[in-house]
Amino acid sequence: DSGVTQTPKHLITATGQRVTLRCSPRSGDLSVYWYQQSLDQGLQFLIQYYNGEERAKGNILERFSAQQFPDLHSELNLSSLELGDSALYFCASFGTGKNYGYTFGSGTRLTVV
Amino acid sequence: KNEVEQSPQNLTAQEGEFITINCSYSVGISALHWLQQHPGGGIVSLFMLSSGKKKHGRLIATINIQEKHSSLHITASHPRDSAVYICAVSSLETSGSRLTFGEGTQLTVNP
Repeated sequence: DSGVTQTPKHLITATGQRVTLRCSPRSGDLSVYWYQQSLDQGLQFLIQYYNGEERAKGNILERFSAQQFPDLHSELNLSSLELGDSALYFCASFGTGKNYGYTFGSGTRLTVV
Repeated sequence: KNEVEQSPQNLTAQEGEFITINCSYSVGISALHWLQQHPGGGIVSLFMLSSGKKKHGRLIATINIQEKHSSLHITASHPRDSAVYICAVSSLETSGSRLTFGEGTQLTVNP
């Protein structure tokens, strides 16, 4: 168990639909990052939250949004899904002090059909 | 040109061989990361370094800040080392510690 929990592991949905991916960071980590890994673009940064606040935005589409809740879990919402949104979505948390560094979740594999 | 370039893209080795994967970057960084991704898809952080050299078991990572270059070495390679190895940097030009990734090196170690 990496300490970062992502659900669901797999998701198959139709174009035009909306899905929510969930991430629980490692205990004590305040930072959550979302990354997308697609075959044509590789791994790309989407968005970062720190203790409930948005800290940085990357190549995140307007159809995508995220938030981090008071218990520090985070959700990534993907709407009006297109075939090209099919990818692996990773959540990672970044710790400080004794847990300094990144821990990745196992990812959510999204397939849009 | 990508900010992070890795070589080689693909590497096949025989069990027991010494392996080197290279990473060059073009931006100022606060840290460089080596990650491992297994066929199941999960990503594991192997090293985070900002200077010098780190060793963990059979894995060694080095970085030369002046030359903007890092290497990941695997000694006495084993088939279980087969995975994609990804170099990533936390750039000084972007906020937070978000990562910019290389394209990865697919390593296959044959018995």
